[in-house]
Amino acid sequence: LAKTTQPISMDSYEGQEVNITCSHNNIATNDYITWYQQFPSQGPRFIIQGYKTKVTNEVASLFIPADRKSSTLSLPRVSLSDTAVYYCLVGAYTGTASKLTFGTGTRLQVTL
Amino acid sequence: ETGVTQTPRHLVMGMTNKKSLKCEQHLGHNAMYWYKQSAKKPLELMFVYSLEERVENNSVPSRFSPECPNSSHLFLHLHTLQPEDSALYLCASSQDKGKRKLFFGSGTQLSVL
Repeated sequence: LAKTTQPISMDSYEGQEVNITCSHNNIATNDYITWYQQFPSQGPRFIIQGYKTKVTNEVASLFIPADRKSSTLSLPRVSLSDTAVYYCLVGAYTGTASKLTFGTGTRLQVTL
Repeated sequence: ETGVTQTPRHLVMGMTNKKSLKCEQHLGHNAMYWYKQSAKKPLELMFVYSLEERVENNSVPSRFSPECPNSSHLFLHLHTLQPEDSALYLCASSQDKGKRKLFFGSGTQLSVL
């Protein structure tokens, strides 16, 4: 499974755009890139997933360059409630189940 | 509400006790997972079940025993645990091929005294 590297922590003010970059140099052809958000004492929650170029949904955008060795999660106009840990995962299915492993994640702190 | 329900939410047990964690998913998924999250550590994948068959066991000590009686239910039986087993235990489920999205429950916060 491709190993990922993310910044340990980031700080932002409310209303700003936040970009979190993840490095995954040995990503495989079949691997997808998935981002999760986790609040304290809760399970991670799916945010967005992509394979290449750009993906956008109602909460975030995911930018993936042509070589796919990195990806950037973009959170527009963050609020205090976006304070959480964000995980970047890279992997594919083996058979019918996922064997995705989580890294240390990026702890985002949003303040006024 | 993610569609994955875990009980109990909190559990305190002694080292000689036997207890079980329960997970139920209402999403029609056919893969289920147990993860362990210790304080300030990454989530560790413990077990993976696909179509009720165990497909992954990441060198987990035998004092943790999983059970998957059907595709909607997953248990983690605990016995003679150690204090270092205190952690948040998370259950997740996913759909079959073509989907790579995990749905997590809220977890069971376990304290071993």
